[in-house]
Parts: sequence; C-alpha cells; structure tokens
Amino acid sequence: DGGITQSPKYLFRKEGQNVTLSCEQNLNHDAMYWYRQDPGQGLRLIYYSQIVNDFQKGDIAEGYSVSREKKESFPLTVTSAQKNPTAFYLCASSLRGRPPLHFGNGTRLTVT
Amino acid sequence: QQQVKQSPQSLIVQKGGISIINCAYENTAFDYFPWYQQFPGKGPALLIAIRPDVSEKKEGRFTISFNKSAKQFSLHIMDSQPGDSATYFCAASKPGSARQLTFGSGTQLTVLP
Repeated sequence: DGGITQSPKYLFRKEGQNVTLSCEQNLNHDAMYWYRQDPGQGLRLIYYSQIVNDFQKGDIAEGYSVSREKKESFPLTVTSAQKNPTAFYLCASSLRGRPPLHFGNGTRLTVT
Repeated sequence: QQQVKQSPQSLIVQKGGISIINCAYENTAFDYFPWYQQFPGKGPALLIAIRPDVSEKKEGRFTISFNKSAKQFSLHIMDSQPGDSATYFCAASKPGSARQLTFGSGTQLTVLP
C-alpha cells in the first residue's frame, strides 16, 4: 500500500540535543511538507519541498532544518535552538503544486 | 495572525443528529477549502473539499456549504455516528507554486451513542 511512514512514533530527548524525525513516502509525490501540531491549535507549516534538493521555510522554521536528497525522503531535524520542541510532528505529501493530500501518522516528540 | 477562524472548539452531538462546524477566512485569494478528519494519534485525512465557484458540495453524509460574500464555509455531518467522533480541521489554500494550507484551530466532535 502506498503511504507515508513516519518514525519513530514516540521520541524522547534531553534538552540541548538535536533530534531527527524520519519521513518516507512511496506515493511518488514531488511535494513534501512538515507540520507541527500543538494541543488546541491547528497545524503550522515548518518546511516544505516541491522538488529534490530544494526546500522552503514555512511559518515557523526557526530552530528546525530539513534536507531533501531523495524524492522519497524528507527528514526533519529539531535543533537545540528550537525553544519549545515538545509537539506532535506531521509529515505530508502531494503532487507538485497541489495542497497536501496524504499525511503520515506523526511523531510525538517530548523534550525534557 | 490567524487567517482561518474555526468554531466551535468542541461539539457534542447525539447519535443521528447534525453536526455543524463553521470556519471564516480573511484572505480573498484563498480558492480551495478542504476539511480534514483526525483521530487520536493519527494524521489528518482529507474528508471533503470545495472551490468557491460552487456553494455546496456533498459526499455521503458530509456536506460543505460555502458563502463567498461572507467569507465563510461550514461542514455539516448528517446522521452523526459515534464513529465520527474525531477532531475536524478546516483549511484554506491560495494559488501559487506551493499550495500551502492555512489551518483552522480544530473542532473536537463527540457523538454520543
């Protein structure tokens, strides 16, 4: 079955450590997105990529970094510069120029 | 700046009733309005979407009503079922090279058996 795989489902880190969240898709979609979800809030866009080796900042990119070396993969690194990293992180994909169509099941990151 | 305002924050409906969730937007450049359904611990799933050239779109028990002049759109769930209990997000997108979505804050729907 085609879809988006996010791993791990739960992630725990100490404050000051960088952590990388994985997102893999086998939908052959060009565009991939990272969103952050906090309780009682909508999804906020962190980064997005329309093609390999190109990505753009979203609304809340500070403290995050991404790479897009392969079409299927769009990992997100939460750096120690992110002041409030504890959240539910969602990866999405779509055809290029189209809104996000498929979402992964998320990674819940807890930083203490 | 919140560009899509969603209400209510939570909603409790009896089985068989109608659930209504409302959204209002500010940016008149938006031209695509999807609704997503999210179950706990899962990612959102696209439920239904509408473009402003129509005033209503129906898919099964789910209907979007769109009022372009008022810059409002709503989701109606007819014959609500306990399995519909989830969080619902409205969103809006505007033309551009990257069809980014601006999301509402979500409505937690509980359908009582």
